[in-house]
Amino acid sequence: GAVVSQHPSRVICKSGTSVKIECRSLDFQATTMFWYRQFPKKSLMLMATSNEGSKATYEQGVEKDKFLINHASLTLSTLTVTSAHPEDSSFYICSARRAGRTSLWEQYFGPGTRLTVT
Amino acid sequence: DAKTTQPPSMDCAEGRAANLPCNHSTISGNEYVYWYRQIHSQGPQYIIHGLKNNETNEMASLIITEDRKSSTLILPHATLRDTAVYYCIVRGREYGNKLVFGAGTILRVKS
Repeated sequence: GAVVSQHPSRVICKSGTSVKIECRSLDFQATTMFWYRQFPKKSLMLMATSNEGSKATYEQGVEKDKFLINHASLTLSTLTVTSAHPEDSSFYICSARRAGRTSLWEQYFGPGTRLTVT
Repeated sequence: DAKTTQPPSMDCAEGRAANLPCNHSTISGNEYVYWYRQIHSQGPQYIIHGLKNNETNEMASLIITEDRKSSTLILPHATLRDTAVYYCIVRGREYGNKLVFGAGTILRVKS
């Protein structure tokens, strides 16, 4: 159990367009989901925390109007990169914390989405 | 939050034990040590965590020094599939805490 999926796995979009990335917990409910981005040969950087039914909390320096996060259900969170530019090209990874669990390690990661903006 | 220091890279022969060190000299009493790994172009994978006792599971062993200022992750029989970036994270287990990743150690298992 505890599988997290992301869709799409890869996406290429043109500069100025918006792209939506989905993160789903397949076999458990997740009240909290996290979004990370990772540049080549760099570590993961936490972008935001989303709680089901409420607004996301963004880390310092992350533009909330550019990276729109919606956590409308207990199994789905979406990240929309608006007006994407080449510098937004990155590997985006989500994770989901099992509902009712507070242990930090009970957080499961998706396989990531590779975004390329041309 | 306690800061961790890991070597940037390590090599290990296939079939041998891989010992990955982590220094966390400023760890506080309620902070756990977590280990994750990330295989190339995949999401991170949880390995193990501990507070002060040594821990073992099907993937690895975690040895924490008595003063808790450092720890070692041991992969007992490394395989080529264990080649990955290994992250040592020190955090309290309170609900509001988030996993924050440092640079990690690139482990290369060689045949």
